[in-house]
This record gives sequence, C-alpha cells and structure tokens, in this order.
Amino acid sequence: QITLKESGPTLVRPTQTLTLTCTFSGFSLSTSGVSVGWIRQPPGKALEWLGLIYWDDDKRYSPSLKSRLTITKDTSKNQVVLTMTNMDPVDTATYFCTHRIPPDYWGQGSLVTVSS
Amino acid sequence: DIVMTQSPATLSVSPGERVTLSCRASQTFSSNLAWYQQKPGQTPRLLIYGASTRATGFPARFSGSGSGTEFTLTISSLQSEDFAVYYCQQYNNWPWTFGQGTKVEIK
Repeated sequence: QITLKESGPTLVRPTQTLTLTCTFSGFSLSTSGVSVGWIRQPPGKALEWLGLIYWDDDKRYSPSLKSRLTITKDTSKNQVVLTMTNMDPVDTATYFCTHRIPPDYWGQGSLVTVSS
Repeated sequence: DIVMTQSPATLSVSPGERVTLSCRASQTFSSNLAWYQQKPGQTPRLLIYGASTRATGFPARFSGSGSGTEFTLTISSLQSEDFAVYYCQQYNNWPWTFGQGTKVEIK
C-alpha cells in the first residue's frame, strides 16, 4: 500500500524559508520511472504544480518559482524534501506531495500559513 | 506554459442527470490529460488519465474523451457522491498545469 505524508511547520514568517518533508512508503524512489511531486493549493483556489524529482535525481521546477525552490531526496529514508525560500503571504496554501505522473497517490496535505 | 481552461466554473445539476465538463488547452497535445475529483476538505483523487482511462475505484459512469485542445469529462448519471470540484491537468509539457476547476453542485 502506497502512502505519503507531509510534515513541517504550519506557520512561517514572511521572508523565512519553508522546509517540508514528504515521508512515503509502499514504493522506492530508486525504482526506474518513479517520481515524487509537490503540488499546492491556496485556500479555496486551484491546484498548482511546484516541482518533482525522479528516481534518477532529475528534477523539474515551476518556472515561476524556480529561483525559490529546491527538491531533494533521501532514498534510504524514503523521504523527499521541499525547500522554498523567501516565503510570502501569497504562498499560504496546503502543500501536497504526490506519487508518479499523473499523481495516483497524494499525501494528506500540509497547510502552511505565511503571516507575521 | 499550456493554459488549461475549464468550463463552466460551476454546474448546478440534479441527481440522475448527465453531466459534461469541458477542458480546453492553449496548445495541442495528444492524450497526456488527467482529471481529478476533489470533495470539500479532501485530497484530490485521480479520476481519469491518458484522457480516457478510468482510475481504480471509479465507476463506469465516469468517462473521459478528447485530444488536441478539447477534452471532456462525462458523468452519465450523476449520483449524490459525485458532487465535487473537478480539475483537469495536462502532463504533456512541463510545467504541468491544472485548470481552474469546475464545481458540480446540487441544483
């Protein structure tokens, strides 16, 4: 059974860096073809792709956020980490990590509020 | 970026009715199109992938079609549990992009 779970702070101050960890089970990110992605959803709004990392460590970032995003993986821990710098109130959203393309399994989501 | 435009934004429907949701892409592509269902307070669920393949757990009343720039999600007979927001998403060109969603609500 595949599961993913996001963890990290619920409140971030403006200009701070957000670090979210996706801990997963039921698959290996060293298996060919596998990827873990990050998607966010501001309250009441639509979904937005942030980026993803593939089994071979290839990465994709949203062009509009590329300068602020870093995605890394720790295959031995079954974890993927999303780092987003210079957080702003507009980044307030629920952040999801997902399995494969298109995402067939999603984490429960982590609501991150950016506020002073 | 490929812009995905969904219409209508909201659809008021009675149970048992046939529902057709539209998703239009700003650039043409073949079949790398997915649909998701999201109920209030829940995580999105993959509903359709490859434009027309139904994901595990969804009944046959859901069907997807289309290619190029026009894609459609059809619910043949809407059930009470189908009231939700539906999103389309292209995964043909990075960055993958979602539509703004269509809310299917009770009439």
